[in-house]
Amino acid sequence: AQTVTQSQPEMSVQEAETVTLSCTYDTSESDYYLFWYKQPPSRQMILVIRQEAYKQQNATENRFSVNFQKAAKSFSLKISDSQLGDAAMYFCAYRRGSGNTPLVFGKGTRLSVIA
Amino acid sequence: DGGITQSPKYLFRKEGQNVTLSCEQNLNHDAMYWYRQDPGQGLRLIYYSQIVNDFQKGDIAEGYSVSREKKESFPLTVTSAQKNPTAFYLCASSIGPRAGRSYEQYFGPGTRLTVT
Repeated sequence: AQTVTQSQPEMSVQEAETVTLSCTYDTSESDYYLFWYKQPPSRQMILVIRQEAYKQQNATENRFSVNFQKAAKSFSLKISDSQLGDAAMYFCAYRRGSGNTPLVFGKGTRLSVIA
Repeated sequence: DGGITQSPKYLFRKEGQNVTLSCEQNLNHDAMYWYRQDPGQGLRLIYYSQIVNDFQKGDIAEGYSVSREKKESFPLTVTSAQKNPTAFYLCASSIGPRAGRSYEQYFGPGTRLTVT
């Protein structure tokens, strides 16, 4: 079974600084997708960024970027120029590539942004 | 506007009663999912359905039941057999293969169920 591990239950960052959230996963599949979701206090799940395993290039979305190390099964999220609105729970998630399959989530990292 | 609706936002029930959580989507998505969220546990899969009239158990299906009679709707019933039903429940949906490979999941706003 696939597993996703987030080893940092809580992190904090100064406003305008950069922070990296860690995620490792375990799978024997070759075709899969990885995601970072943000859950603010409203509890609405928001997709931040996704990475296809077959792509070597790391995904970026504005201030958010990932460091995807396929051999090491590592998928970290870097948030640059942190803003107060970035404060939230962040979940790393894995999905097997073949069709509409469910997500497997890590336990989350709570990010605080200090003004 | 297209999206996923879950109602109600907060739900209170007495122990021993069954309760049904609603999930409706107008995104024309083929697949729908139910996840449960507990503090410190992340999200865990209860049930999912890839097509109408078909569904599969997830990791924590015991004490829950679902139906998928319409493409738009995927209600979840929390039965009295569920030992610890108090939790936050999230519904999601994703489009089928005709839209490409990513099958991105979209989430509803969630229902907080409290059983006393």
